Amino acid sequence: QKEVEQDPGPLSVPEGAIVSLNCTYSNSAFQYFMWYRQYSRKGPELLMYTYSSGNKEDGRFTAQVDKSSKYISLFIRDSQPSDSATYLCAMTWYSSASKIIFGSGTRLSIRP
Amino acid sequence: EAGVVQSPRYKIIEKKQPVAFWCNPISGHNTLYWYLQNLGQGPELLIRYENEEAVDDSQLPKDRFSAERLKGVDSTLKIQPAELGDSAVYLCASSPSSPTSGGTQYTQYFGPGTRLTVL
Repeated sequence: QKEVEQDPGPLSVPEGAIVSLNCTYSNSAFQYFMWYRQYSRKGPELLMYTYSSGNKEDGRFTAQVDKSSKYISLFIRDSQPSDSATYLCAMTWYSSASKIIFGSGTRLSIRP
Repeated sequence: EAGVVQSPRYKIIEKKQPVAFWCNPISGHNTLYWYLQNLGQGPELLIRYENEEAVDDSQLPKDRFSAERLKGVDSTLKIQPAELGDSAVYLCASSPSSPTSGGTQYTQYFGPGTRLTVL
């Protein structure tokens, strides 16, 4: 079993829809949770990060962490074609600067 | 601020040939990472440097892979000899030693990667 599980998709939704992306994990020591966005032929870029449980909002994006269920989510409101990319969840132990564990990524396509 | 620079962007070689990838991290970033990303997978850490010291190379296949970061800035990752299974994207990332706006010292900034094809 992988430490971080993520549905690979692909996920295709119409423009303006609300998108929900999810990851589950097995290591309860993870404290720091991230979402990266990766466009085709590009490196991943950090989209959002959160500490421990709770919600964090940034514009059209909301990240949620439920440590009791070992489940994290990324919501995208009013989705745009420019949001079409692969979304990678990632997590680490807060005390460690090195070992980030990535999910396999969900490929998202927003149809105009 | 310039991002992480990698070269070449693409490389096609025949198996058993050597290959090298170069990375220039963001100025002032002390920590440098090399990752391997297979198609449809997330990045997997190969090696991490703190300045010029390799502090985590536990996932680096040392029989054929080597890396160096002379003077604690640029880094080179080498494969010799390359095998068919080495075909992947090799990503370099760097992170600062102290918190910055928009992130923390744990935020990793990735380059565009080098796409390696071994025939």
